[in-house]
Amino acid sequence: NAGVTQTPKFQVLKTGQSMTLQCAQDMNHEYMSWYRQDPGMGLRLIHYSVGAGITDQGEVPNGYNVSRSTTEDFPLRLLSAAPSQTSVYFCASSYSSEVSTGYTFGSGTRLTVV
Amino acid sequence: KQEVTQIPAALSVPEGENLVLNCSFTDSAIYNLQWFRQDPGKGLTSLLLIQSSQREQTSGRLNASLDKSSGRSTLYIAASQPGDSATYLCAVRPGGYQKVTFGTGTKLQVIP
Repeated sequence: NAGVTQTPKFQVLKTGQSMTLQCAQDMNHEYMSWYRQDPGMGLRLIHYSVGAGITDQGEVPNGYNVSRSTTEDFPLRLLSAAPSQTSVYFCASSYSSEVSTGYTFGSGTRLTVV
Repeated sequence: KQEVTQIPAALSVPEGENLVLNCSFTDSAIYNLQWFRQDPGKGLTSLLLIQSSQREQTSGRLNASLDKSSGRSTLYIAASQPGDSATYLCAVRPGGYQKVTFGTGTKLQVIP
């Protein structure tokens, strides 16, 4: 099925550990982004990419790294996990804003940092 | 800076009732507006997308309207069902590659 695939669905990390959240889409979308969702805070943009090789920071980028080597994949790396990064992470993709389409979201990764 | 507000934050209605969810935004220079549904512990499912040139979109029992001049969108749900219970979010997309702004959502409970 076409869509956005996120792995893993659940993850527990110890403080200081690093890990990569995977995101892949098979819709040939140029635009991909990572959000975190916390109670009472809504969805906050971490990083986004408008195409392969191009990434930029969102509103809460600290502690996270991204790269976009292919159109399909947009991994999010936690460099040194902190309890404040406990959250649900969503990857979303769309065609470029010049084409009138909406976002497609992945099912999320629930991350707990202890 | 675009701000998107959804009021009320929570709503409880009896089954069968027609209801309206509201989304307000401060900057009318938008490209499109999208309504999502989120079930507990799940991702966001797109319900309706309205382009800036459109006034409304319909899908089944759902109808979304857009009034850019007043900075408002409404999501109308007809004949509500318990299965409609979820959190509904609106998202406003400006032109270019500026980021989408999400509302904080309305949590809907439909009581059998």
